[in-house]
Amino acid sequence: EVQLVESGGGLVQPGGSLKLSCAASGFTFSGSPMHWVRQASGKGLEWVGRIRSKADSYATAYAASVKGRFTISRDESKNTAYLQMNSLKIEDTAVYYCTRDFGYNAFDIWGQGTMVAVSS
Amino acid sequence: QSALTQPASVSGSPGQSITISCTGTNSDVGSYNLVSWYQQHPGKAPKLMIYEGSDRPSGVSNRFSGSKSGNTASLTISGLQVEDEADYYCCSYAGSTTFWVFGGGTKLTVL
Repeated sequence: EVQLVESGGGLVQPGGSLKLSCAASGFTFSGSPMHWVRQASGKGLEWVGRIRSKADSYATAYAASVKGRFTISRDESKNTAYLQMNSLKIEDTAVYYCTRDFGYNAFDIWGQGTMVAVSS
Repeated sequence: QSALTQPASVSGSPGQSITISCTGTNSDVGSYNLVSWYQQHPGKAPKLMIYEGSDRPSGVSNRFSGSKSGNTASLTISGLQVEDEADYYCCSYAGSTTFWVFGGGTKLTVL
């Protein structure tokens, strides 16, 4: 079965850190650019960032709102992508989805999402 | 404020057709044929409905179609069904500085 499963969400204080994981199965993870997209409660989708494959030197890109605070990485041996979030702000509170770019600059596989709440 | 502008809501009756617009700029929608559309039911993950402006992934009904004119992309749903009631988001590639931008979303109500 083709799927992405996120984990690692939770409650964290402002200024804290959290690392999300995204485990992939059922497709060739190594060749797929992986993205993170977030959604605050009752709000729209916001692109967070992406990491390309080894063939593209694992190039990363980030939204301006998270650049310098968030880092995306991947472990091909574990078929897993990660989102390291540092210096968290209240406005980072959202459900975080990982998703696959299937080669057409569009996202065809989505995880179920993991909730991140930043609060004191 | 979202980078792409969508109407907050649209509605239609079963069997009718509706169109959702997605207005960007010549830095995103107008410059690339890389608009995608996503359907999201409450509490669920988004689902890809259209990519590259007008292509449908395997398994998506041909009642869904996409188009673009200038800086505005559109999603048309024909033969509305009750299960089409959901939120719809457009997304566009926006170059190597901004990368990807989403619309604010449109709530479709099937009356």
